[in-house]
Amino acid sequence: GNSVTQMEGPVTLSEEAFLTINCTYTATGYPSLFWYVQYPGEGLQLLLKATKADDKGSNKGFEATYRKETTSFHLEKGSVQVSDSAVYFCALRDSGGFKTIFGAGTRLFVKA
Amino acid sequence: EAGVTQSPTHLIKTRGQQVTLRCSPISGHTSVYWYQQALGLGLQFLLWYDEGEERNRGNFPPRFSGRQFPNYSSELNVNALELEDSALYLCASSPSGTGVKYGYTFGSGTRLTVV
Repeated sequence: GNSVTQMEGPVTLSEEAFLTINCTYTATGYPSLFWYVQYPGEGLQLLLKATKADDKGSNKGFEATYRKETTSFHLEKGSVQVSDSAVYFCALRDSGGFKTIFGAGTRLFVKA
Repeated sequence: EAGVTQSPTHLIKTRGQQVTLRCSPISGHTSVYWYQQALGLGLQFLLWYDEGEERNRGNFPPRFSGRQFPNYSSELNVNALELEDSALYLCASSPSGTGVKYGYTFGSGTRLTVV
């Protein structure tokens, strides 16, 4: 079945450091891929998405590229801020669109 | 535009009791999804409703049930509560039932504690 695997956290970085959170997936067909962010005490917010191979999603300085050849959708940001501290979830919506499968989440701490 | 709203935000129940959680989707969204997020764990898919019908169900026992109303709002019911039902219950909505390109808009969740 479909699945999403993302790197375990927590990830601790200093402000202005480069961020990479790895995400790989297993799916049949042509899924859409998403990154969601969850700030403390809140629900999830859609951060960015890519709906076909080689698409790049971007938002708020975050980027991720849909790589079908490596079945990956790694999240990157060139310079993190303290306000980026949150839990990040990689997700896959299958080609039938019936549901979205989430990775386990990666907690990011950014220190001033 | 109002976001996805969930009520109540917190509640405490005793083992064996029943609980009803409520969700109102974004205006124009016809699909509602329910997820369980236990402490320290990821999101587990519970239920999907679209156009008033249950379309898909996750691997949860039958005591988890729900419905969707004509205005697309939804309820999640949990009977015979167990301690391990303690979790954050998240509701999400999207504009189309099987639109693979659409992401979800989430509510802030209902924190259920079973004692």
